[in-house]
Amino acid sequence: SQKIEQNSEALNIQEGKTATLTCNYTNYSPAYLQWYRQDPGRGPVFLLLIRENEKEKRKERLKVTFDTTLKQSLFHITASQPADSATYLCALSQGGSYIPTFGRGTSLIVHP
Amino acid sequence: EPEVTQTPSHQVTQMGQEVILRCVPISNHLYFYWYRQILGQKVEFLVSFYNNEISEKSEIFDDQFSVERPDGSNFTLKIRSTKLEDSAMYFCASSETSKGSGANVLTFGAGSRLTVL
Repeated sequence: SQKIEQNSEALNIQEGKTATLTCNYTNYSPAYLQWYRQDPGRGPVFLLLIRENEKEKRKERLKVTFDTTLKQSLFHITASQPADSATYLCALSQGGSYIPTFGRGTSLIVHP
Repeated sequence: EPEVTQTPSHQVTQMGQEVILRCVPISNHLYFYWYRQILGQKVEFLVSFYNNEISEKSEIFDDQFSVERPDGSNFTLKIRSTKLEDSAMYFCASSETSKGSGANVLTFGAGSRLTVL
């Protein structure tokens, strides 16, 4: 069956460090992958999109990598701040449908 | 910045009652979606809508659900006879691009929390 796996345990890091979140998938052939941020009681907010033929994408302090051989994406936040504390969702879209399917997300807590 | 607006923010209803959740998508977006998130669980796709008809739906979107675009701005989700397990946060989303462009970025609303008693 198709699965999108994100670490269910919260990631706790100190302010200023780099946070790295993982998204693994099985039985998908995604055309692209997205990362969204979700704050409690709010809707997801789009952060970055990376296509199947791209290895890496950057936006300010954010970086995402995509390895279709390993079936994995890594999401990095450099110089993390307490305001980065949120749940980060990985979403895959397959060719033909393009409807994003979300993982459960990983909670990031950045301590001052 | 354009946003997707949803009403109500919270609705409490009795089991078996009909509920209508409303959404105003971003004005130049052509594709509309409903997702739901049961407390503590993942965001799940319900239905997508384009050109005044359903383009895709999930197994969750059974006969008790329906969607409508009654005018040029609103997009509604109706649950005909609510069940306890329908309690969730319902998110409306919209996107401007087509399937062919391969960059279906969704803008979500803040959600409507439905509590079924």
